[in-house]
Amino acid sequence: SQTIHQWPATLVQPVGSPLSLECTVEGTSNPNLYWYRQAAGRGLQLLFYSVGIGQISSEVPQNLSASRPQDRQFILSSKKLLLSDSGFYLCAWRWGDRQPFRYGYTFGSGTRLTVV
Amino acid sequence: TQLLEQSPQFLSIQEGENLTVYCNSSSVFSSLQWYRQEPGEGPVLLVTVVTGGEVKKLKRLTFQFGDARKDSSLHITAAQPGDTGLYLCAGPRSYNTDKLIFGTGTRLQVFP
Repeated sequence: SQTIHQWPATLVQPVGSPLSLECTVEGTSNPNLYWYRQAAGRGLQLLFYSVGIGQISSEVPQNLSASRPQDRQFILSSKKLLLSDSGFYLCAWRWGDRQPFRYGYTFGSGTRLTVV
Repeated sequence: TQLLEQSPQFLSIQEGENLTVYCNSSSVFSSLQWYRQEPGEGPVLLVTVVTGGEVKKLKRLTFQFGDARKDSSLHITAAQPGDTGLYLCAGPRSYNTDKLIFGTGTRLQVFP
């Protein structure tokens, strides 16, 4: 069965420090992977998505970047964190067939990032 | 830009009550999904609706896709404390993509 892992679960970082959040998927190959950010108890904002190794699309210009060094690994990074980077970060992979809309997302358990 | 607005934002009810949550857009969606998210966890997919007018049932939860595919509703019968969570609707950003946009969310609290 497929599983998705995210770590760390919580992180408190000072402003200006670097960031690296990791997401790995097991039990599937060449998955579409996504990074979302969620403001407190609200909807999700798509940050990055990747359809394969080294293929990253950015949805929102910001202080973050993403990389996909291996097929089932997706990393979210920042060189210098800002206060506004605080939030709940979720990694997801898409399962199923896009047509005819028989697909869904499986999310990791998320990382709560607090920038202080 | 497609947007999904959910109402109400917050809902606090007693166990056994019925409720309906709405997801609305001015745009047509090829499909809509509903997720439930518990505190500190990622959202979990509940259902996907594809056809205008489609109704799907998941135990005490009934999901409906509007005839024009611009809106959806989630009705819970005899709510239980285990139904507590954040309910999110989501749909593909455009026809030929699997990138989902998510609604603003409805936070449901069911008290015993």
